Amino acid sequence: DAGVTQSPTHLIKTRGQQVTLRCSPKSGHDTVSWYQQALGQGPQFIFQYYEEEERQRGNFPDRFSGHQFPNYSSELNVNALLLGDSALYLCASSGVGGTNEKLFFGSGTQLSVL
Amino acid sequence: AQTVTQSQPEMSVQEAETVTLSCTYDTSESDYYLFWYKQPPSRQMILVIRQEAYKQQNATENRFSVNFQKAAKSFSLKISDSQLGDAAMYFCAHKEGGYNKLIFGAGTRLAVHP
Repeated sequence: DAGVTQSPTHLIKTRGQQVTLRCSPKSGHDTVSWYQQALGQGPQFIFQYYEEEERQRGNFPDRFSGHQFPNYSSELNVNALLLGDSALYLCASSGVGGTNEKLFFGSGTQLSVL
Repeated sequence: AQTVTQSQPEMSVQEAETVTLSCTYDTSESDYYLFWYKQPPSRQMILVIRQEAYKQQNATENRFSVNFQKAAKSFSLKISDSQLGDAAMYFCAHKEGGYNKLIFGAGTRLAVHP
């Protein structure tokens, strides 16, 4: 049983560009959350998707957007990249509409903005 | 605002010894979950242990146990018989509400010396 998978593992972009990160949840999970982990800090909640809708959002600008597909996989899009967007982006999935407290994390996508 | 504070940026322990990692949090809710996650160099966040706030009994998972002091809003992690594989970043996290939005602390880097 595959866990949470994220792609790509590493990405290098320049300021002003746009990026798309991808996440496939653990089998049987229907809810996907995205977190940003800056160097030396704990993860920060970006948003959560359930039934193809954004259900909760953290304190992130509109440059951060997402999507969830009918197969529950998800994308995180970041527009107009800033140097400060350089971070590890973690995807986490859970079941039962996100009410189950057991979160499973992927290994993340390391984004570097030059 | 919800906050989670880990006051120990780094800790070290000798193999087979016991170490305690500290965490305090702030919440106005009476029902919530607390977690300790381990993040090894592979970057994947791994759930170590969780505590439900309404349960007075401290959670235990093999060599890992917590000291949950609800009134003091304190949630420390004790690792007994430390092993080299325990070396990692450890994050304390707090969840309240119906969905899996976690608030993480800044982390404690644990070194285990042979």
